[in-house]
Amino acid sequence: SQTIHQWPATLVQPVGSPLSLECTVEGTSNPNLYWYRQAAGRGLQLLFYSVGIGQISSEVPQNLSASRPQDRQFILSSKKLLLSDSGFYLCAWSVTNYGYTFGSGTRLTVV
Amino acid sequence: GQQLNQSPQSMFIQEGEDVSMNCTSSSIFNTWLWYKQEPGEGPVLLIALYKAGELTSNGRLTAQFGITRKDSFLNISASIPSDVGIYFCAATGYYNTNAGKSTFGDGTTLTVKP
Repeated sequence: SQTIHQWPATLVQPVGSPLSLECTVEGTSNPNLYWYRQAAGRGLQLLFYSVGIGQISSEVPQNLSASRPQDRQFILSSKKLLLSDSGFYLCAWSVTNYGYTFGSGTRLTVV
Repeated sequence: GQQLNQSPQSMFIQEGEDVSMNCTSSSIFNTWLWYKQEPGEGPVLLIALYKAGELTSNGRLTAQFGITRKDSFLNISASIPSDVGIYFCAATGYYNTNAGKSTFGDGTTLTVKP
């Protein structure tokens, strides 16, 4: 069966520090992968998506970057965090139109 | 770009009441999906709709793919406290260059009073 792992669950980081969030998928090949950010009680903002290894599309300009070094691994990074980077980060995968499977999310607080 | 207008933004209801929420767009889509997000968790897919006019149920949940392909609704019958959460509609269009990339509504926050 397919599963998605996202870690860490919570993270508190100082302003200006780097960030690395990792997401891995099991049980499927060549998935579409996504990073979303959600402000408290708000909707889902698509940050990046990837249709294959090394292929990254950015939806909004920001202080973040994404990489896909392996087929089932998706990494969200920042060199220097800003206060506005705080939020709930969600990784998801999909294959064709059968909907997304989301990870359990990372709550990032930048202080 | 493609946008989904989801309403209402929030609902406060009594346990046992029925709930209805909907999603509309000016664009045509070929797939409509409904998700539920519980606090501190990622959204979970509830219902997927693939054909205009399709009506699909999942327990107390019923969703329909609008005949115009531009809207969808979700009904919850006889609500219970565990129905609390944020419900998102999502849709995938004919014109996405990458199959499976969805557009999401802003969500409907449901509160159920015992």
